[in-house]
Amino acid sequence: GESVGLHLPTLSVQEGDNSIINCAYSNSASDYFIWYKQESGKGPQFIIDIRSNMDKRQGQRVTVLLNKTVKHLSLQIAATQPGDSAVYFCAVRHGSGNTGKLIFGQGTTLQVKP
Amino acid sequence: KAGVTQTPRYLIKTRGQQVTLSCSPISGHRSVSWYQQTPGQGLQFLFEYFSETQRNKGNFPGRFSGRQFSNSRSEMNVSTLELGDSALYLCASSLTGVDQPQHFGDGTRLSIL
Repeated sequence: GESVGLHLPTLSVQEGDNSIINCAYSNSASDYFIWYKQESGKGPQFIIDIRSNMDKRQGQRVTVLLNKTVKHLSLQIAATQPGDSAVYFCAVRHGSGNTGKLIFGQGTTLQVKP
Repeated sequence: KAGVTQTPRYLIKTRGQQVTLSCSPISGHRSVSWYQQTPGQGLQFLFEYFSETQRNKGNFPGRFSGRQFSNSRSEMNVSTLELGDSALYLCASSLTGVDQPQHFGDGTRLSIL
């Protein structure tokens, strides 16, 4: 089956710096990847997604990089702000077509120091 | 556009009881998935419904069940509650399935005494 792991449980950065959160997955057939942000007391909030036919995708202040060779996914947050403090999860689709399920990593807690 | 709505937000039950949780997806979304979130196991997939049919199921015992109605609203039922069922139960919806961004509600916090 699929497993998803994150490299660091906690990441502490200075306000204004760039943050990089990493994720590794096990199944080379995985083709859809999503990053979520979860704030205390709330459900996960969609940040950005990427499909396996792409290596990079950019959003507002966020970039997701996908390295299929080493099965690695990263989320880059530019000019990190205090409001970015949260737990970040990567999720990998296990299955095919529009069915299947999302396998989540354990999450990285991002702490932004003012 | 209203987001995913889950009710109730909090529930306290005792062992052996049963519970029903409700989820109203984003308007137009036909796929609803349920997840259990605990500090030890993280986010784990329970099941996914599409057009009133269960399309996929995770590795949970048969005490966990669900259904979806014709308006895409979904319910999840847990029977014979155990202490280990204490968790945050999250519902997520998407237009057609898990190959698209799933949008989560804020969950139901279930505590078993």
